[in-house]
Amino acid sequence: DTEVTQTPKHLVMGMTNKKSLKCEQHMGHRAMYWYKQKAKKPPELMFVYSYEKLSINESVPSRFSPECPNSSLLNLHLHALQPEDSALYLCASSQVFGSYEQYFGPGTRLTVT
Amino acid sequence: DQQVKQNSPSLSVQEGRISILNCDYTNSMFDYFLWYKKYPAEGPTFLISISSIKDKNEDGRFTVFLNKSAKHLSLHIVPSQPGDSAVYFCAASASGANSKLTFGKGITLSVRP
Repeated sequence: DTEVTQTPKHLVMGMTNKKSLKCEQHMGHRAMYWYKQKAKKPPELMFVYSYEKLSINESVPSRFSPECPNSSLLNLHLHALQPEDSALYLCASSQVFGSYEQYFGPGTRLTVT
Repeated sequence: DQQVKQNSPSLSVQEGRISILNCDYTNSMFDYFLWYKKYPAEGPTFLISISSIKDKNEDGRFTVFLNKSAKHLSLHIVPSQPGDSAVYFCAASASGANSKLTFGKGITLSVRP
């Protein structure tokens, strides 16, 4: 099983809403990542978790709050987002922190109205 | 300041011919390079990689060439197939960068039957 799953596929939320994005992998990977991708741009790293601990926060605004409840799950909690936060949010995992090959999920297409 | 550049946004190739996708980088600390393939509505899929200690890596129809002095790498697909039509991202990482990948903007490959 080399699959990373993400839910929901699409999400529309208002600026006052609170929502969460979910990511799951069952490859036994111990590093998990959140990326943000705007149209016609490359993916941009947001957060890295290693062994369920936050290892990298790329100066992401606090309205994005990551959580890693266990080694298979990664959440991204969203609150008070802005329209410019509309993007494709990609989750990825790798064997360990420092493994270059990352496996990506299909992404959640987020629209903030 | 883009450290990984894919200057051609698109490429169209006849089925059976060779596809050559180019990528340039500016950061001399990069020592590991990857190519990802992305279909619409899916996350990027790891395709092939190369370490800076090599100048060529081959996997079936896919070959990546690295020219360190020119800070240039290329992905060759031969023979090209219609199913290869996708967006291809070049990515790079530096040892000690904790597997952080820097992506190019991607190139859209269309293989005509």
